[in-house]
Formats: sequence, structure tokens, C-alpha cells
Amino acid sequence: QVQLQQWGAGLLKPSETLSLTCVVYGESFSGYYWSWIRQPPGKGLEWIGEISHSGSTNYNPSLKSRVTISLDTSKNQFSLNLTSMTAADTAVYYCARRPSSWYFMGAFDIWGQGTMVTVSS
Amino acid sequence: QSVLTQPPSASGTPGQRVTISCSGSSSNIGSNYVYWYQQLPGTAPKLLIYRNDQRPSGVPDRFSGSKSGTSASLAISGLRSEDEVDYYCAAWDDSLSVLVFGGGTRLTVL
Repeated sequence: QVQLQQWGAGLLKPSETLSLTCVVYGESFSGYYWSWIRQPPGKGLEWIGEISHSGSTNYNPSLKSRVTISLDTSKNQFSLNLTSMTAADTAVYYCARRPSSWYFMGAFDIWGQGTMVTVSS
Repeated sequence: QSVLTQPPSASGTPGQRVTISCSGSSSNIGSNYVYWYQQLPGTAPKLLIYRNDQRPSGVPDRFSGSKSGTSASLAISGLRSEDEVDYYCAAWDDSLSVLVFGGGTRLTVL
């Protein structure tokens, strides 16, 4: 059974960098894109970006200058770094998986448990 | 404010059929597949529909999706109390080069 388990700091100060990691259990990276999605409290979902098993990335243009998604196949995990955090970045951050084919662009079938990240001085 | 427009709320009575709409444009729904998610409070979204009208294994056939032009709909038949949660649509936007979501619809079972 495929599971995603995520972890990382939940409280940051303005200007700090968010670092989250998502460990993949029960599946290899091949054949999928591995994504990050966030949800501000009481609001809707926002796609942050994704990485393929070969390391190819796609980022949300609105966040591209601050985002890095990386892969560590030896540890079966992928990570999100988001720099220059502000209060507007306060959200629940989810990792998720989708099949690689283009027609599955929004088909996230497995999700992590979510991490609440609060940015406050 | 969201690129895809959903009604903020919808309602129905037990056993009834309800539909939730998702309106977009030629650069997203008009030219790409639509996906639907169900989200229970405090939990990660669950994929309900992919590629406009396909159900993942394990999703009841009470849930169905359709698309016409630049709009899509999620239909829920035989409404149950446990359906009273939030629903989101999503599609890739070719102009923005981003996956966009609707603002979400909260379904109330009266």
C-alpha cells in the first residue's frame, strides 16, 4: 500500500525558508510526478509544483522564484523548499502523487497527511 | 478570484441528486481534462473524478462527472449525510502554465 508521510517545521518567522520532506512508502518514483499543494486556512487549494522520477520539474509561475522541489531516490523522498516566507504563505502543505502521463495532470491519487505551516514573528 | 468558478455552496435532501458546476475558459476546461476532489474537514482531498468523467477504483458510482465546452459538473445521486463536505474542481491552464483549482463548494445535506 502506497503511503506518503511528510514532515518539517511548522512555525517559521518572516523571511525564513520552509523545508518540507515527503517520504514515499511502498512505491518507486518511476512513472509518477511528485507534487506539493497548499491550502490556506479556510481557503481553496493551490498547486505549488512537481518533480518527475528523472528530476524534471514544473512550478507554479507565481511561486517559481522562491520554490525548489528536489528528489532523493536513495531515501525514497522528495522535498520542498520555499524561501522568503511571509504570512501569506501560512497554509496546510500537502505532498501528493499523480501518474506521469499528461492527461493525469491533476489526478492526485495519493496524498500525505498535510503539515500546517504558520509564518509569524 | 479563482480561475475556475464554483458556487460557494450547494444543498440537497437525502436521496436527491445534486450537481456542482465548475466554470472556466478555453485555456483550461475548454482544452484540458477536469478533475474533482472531495475534502472532509481536517483531511487531505480525495480524488473523485479524473479525465472529466472517470472514477478511480473505490469511488461509488453515485458520483459522476461531465464536461461541455468551458464548463464541467459533478453530479451526486442518492445524496447521503456523509456527502456533506467540500468539493473542488481542477484543470490545467495552458495560458498560465499552472494547474488551477476552483474555489470549492460546500455541500449541505438538509
